[in-house]
Amino acid sequence: DTEVTQTPKHLVMGMTNKKSLKCEQHMGHRAMYWYKQKAKKPPELMFVYSYEKLSINESVPSRFSPECPNSSLLNLHLHALQPEDSALYLCASSQEGTVSSNQPQHFGDGTRLSIL
Amino acid sequence: AQSVAQPEDQVNVAEGNPLTVKCTYSVSGNPYLFWYVQYPNRGLQFLLKYITGDNLVKGSYGFEAEFNKSQTSFHLKKPSALVSDSALYFCAVRDGSNYQLIWGAGTKLIIKP
Repeated sequence: DTEVTQTPKHLVMGMTNKKSLKCEQHMGHRAMYWYKQKAKKPPELMFVYSYEKLSINESVPSRFSPECPNSSLLNLHLHALQPEDSALYLCASSQEGTVSSNQPQHFGDGTRLSIL
Repeated sequence: AQSVAQPEDQVNVAEGNPLTVKCTYSVSGNPYLFWYVQYPNRGLQFLLKYITGDNLVKGSYGFEAEFNKSQTSFHLKKPSALVSDSALYFCAVRDGSNYQLIWGAGTKLIIKP
C-alpha cells in the first residue's frame, strides 16, 4: 500500500468540464509534487510545493491550477483540458521542504485522466 | 547539461538468474542517484538511493546498485531474479544544487519463468 493517496483513480472528462484531483499524505512530508506521465515514459514535473507554498511551476498551462490547502493535502484543479492532456497524473511527497533535498520522493498510484 | 541514460529499452532474464539494469549519468556537481520501479497501473516505488559513502547500496526487494564515479554509472542489480520483478525501472539523478530530478527513459524488465 502506498502512503500517498490519490483520488479518483480514474477520471473521464469533456473539454469543457471542471474537475479536481486530490492527493493526501500523512507522513509529515513538507514537499509535495504533481507529475504528468505518458504511457511507458518517465514522469514530467509540473509543480512543487514546499512548506505549503508553490515553489516551482514548470511552465504548465493555466488550465492546470494547483492548490495546497494544508501540509497534508494537494489538489490539482482542471479546466478546459485538451485531448493531449490525457495521461497518468502522479502526486509525490518528500520529507524535506527544500527542493535540493537528497530525500526520495514517495509516489501515489496516480489518477488516470482521459479527455474526450 | 544534466542527463541520465538507460541504454536498454528492455531487458529479458530467466527466473533465478542475476539481473542488471544499466544507468549512466552526467551532472555538474556531486550526484544524488535514485532507482524507482513502476508496476502496471501503479505509481513509482522508491527502491534505493546513493548520496555518499559506500559505493554499494542495498535497497528494497533484494535489489542493490553500485555507484561507479569513474564510469559515471549506477547499475541496478539483483542476484536472483523473480517473475514478480517484471516491471518498468527508472533511474533518476539530481546534483546537490539543482531542484530538478532528471529521469532516464526507463527500462522494461521481463523475467521469464
